[in-house]
Amino acid sequence: EVQLLESGGGLVQPGGSLRLSCAASGFSFSSYAMGWVRQAPGKGLEWVSAISGSGGSTYYADSVKGRFTISRDNSKNTLYLQMDSLRAEDTALYYCAKKSLQWLVDYWGQGTLVTVSS
Amino acid sequence: QPVLTQSSSASASLGSSVKLTCTLSSGHSTYIIAWHQQQPGKAPRYLMKLEGSGSYNKGSGVPDRFSGSSSGADRYLTISNLQSEDEADYYCETWDTKSWVFGGGTKLTVL
Repeated sequence: EVQLLESGGGLVQPGGSLRLSCAASGFSFSSYAMGWVRQAPGKGLEWVSAISGSGGSTYYADSVKGRFTISRDNSKNTLYLQMDSLRAEDTALYYCAKKSLQWLVDYWGQGTLVTVSS
Repeated sequence: QPVLTQSSSASASLGSSVKLTCTLSSGHSTYIIAWHQQQPGKAPRYLMKLEGSGSYNKGSGVPDRFSGSSSGADRYLTISNLQSEDEADYYCETWDTKSWVFGGGTKLTVL
C-alpha cells in the first residue's frame, strides 16, 4: 500500500524558512517523479514543484521560483521542500504527491499546514 | 502550456447521474489528464487517468459508478447513481514538459 506522510509544517514569520518532508513507502521510490501541491484556505489546488525519480530534473511554479527548493533522498525514501523567504501568500496546506509514469498524480499525502504570519 | 477549464459548480439529485467537463486549451487536445476528488476537509484522492481516445484507468478502490470519456479537447467524468458522499470538489490535472497544470475545480452538490 502506497503511503505518503508529510511533516514539518507550522507557523513561521514572514521572511522565515521552513523545511517540509514527505516519507514514502509501498512503492519503488526512486522510480517515480514526486511533487508538492498546495491549497490556500478556500482555494483550489496549485502546483508548487516537481522532481524526477533520479532528482536530476526539478521544476517550479513561477510563484515560488528562487525561494523554494525541492530535493529527494532515494536512500531514505523521502521528499523535501525547503521554503525560504516565506510570504503571507504562501500560507496553505501542502500536499506531497506521487506521480505516475505519465507524470500525473496517482497518490496524495494527507497534507501539512504552513502558516506565514507575524 | 496547456490550460484546463472547468465549470465552477454543478448539481444533481441523489441516485441520478452527472457529467463533469474539463476542457483543454487550443493545441493541447490530445493530452492525457487525471481526475481527482476532494471531499470536504479531506486530502484529494486520485480517481482516474483519461486519454484523448476515451480510454481510462481508475485508481484502486474507485467505485464502478465513476467513469471517463473524451470528445476532442473535452474530458468528462461521469458519476452514476449519485451518493451523498460524492458531494465534493473535482479537479482535473495534466502535465506538460516543465509545467504542471490543475483546473480550477468543480464543486458538485448532491441534492
